[in-house]
Amino acid sequence: GAVVSQHPSRVICKSGTSVKIECRSLDFQATTMFWYRQFPKKSLMLMATSNEGSKATYEQGVEKDKFLINHASLTLSTLTVTSAHPEDSSFYICSASDRSNTGELFFGEGSRLTVL
Amino acid sequence: DAKTTQPPSMDCAEGRAANLPCNHSTISGNEYVYWYRQIHSQGPQYIIHGLKNNETNEMASLIITEDRKSSTLILPHATLRDTAVYYCIVRSRSGSARQLTFGSGTQLTVLP
Repeated sequence: GAVVSQHPSRVICKSGTSVKIECRSLDFQATTMFWYRQFPKKSLMLMATSNEGSKATYEQGVEKDKFLINHASLTLSTLTVTSAHPEDSSFYICSASDRSNTGELFFGEGSRLTVL
Repeated sequence: DAKTTQPPSMDCAEGRAANLPCNHSTISGNEYVYWYRQIHSQGPQYIIHGLKNNETNEMASLIITEDRKSSTLILPHATLRDTAVYYCIVRSRSGSARQLTFGSGTQLTVLP
């Protein structure tokens, strides 16, 4: 199946700093990518839908100024956690769908953020 | 998208078949049943999906009841590497990409 890659897989940062997570579709073009967040022992929660060339759509309760999403090309979406705090520590996962409309979503490996 | 209900956890002996049930009694005619799994600290992995016919691939089989109100994912010969959280998700396919809504899933533990 199609491959989605995330980088970095793990990041530790100090409170107040910003962290950027990249999500790339390696062998297909993705006009839409999704960003999820997962706390320990919990399910995945959708944060936002990233659309190439336009503004992202955020789910209720997700601060768009806190979690900046940029989808500048058909193969790359980035999530920037701005002014990170310990409560932002979580597992962030992106997913993308190719254009075949099979309904299948391909997921990245996830990025574990720890804010000290 | 229709809601699904899965048992929170199941155990299975290594080498035996693992049968994971899912109830989706409010499924509508254009909604598919998707199964994903998530191994600890990894992104979800697609397993299989179906509409009304039973499906089989190299990973698993999907059995959907005739009324489509429930389904069962079957891992024919479970291995220790199949230990994961398994998610049953119901949604329609459309012309545009749509996100998946994850429920609580079933924690499958394959025992040696």
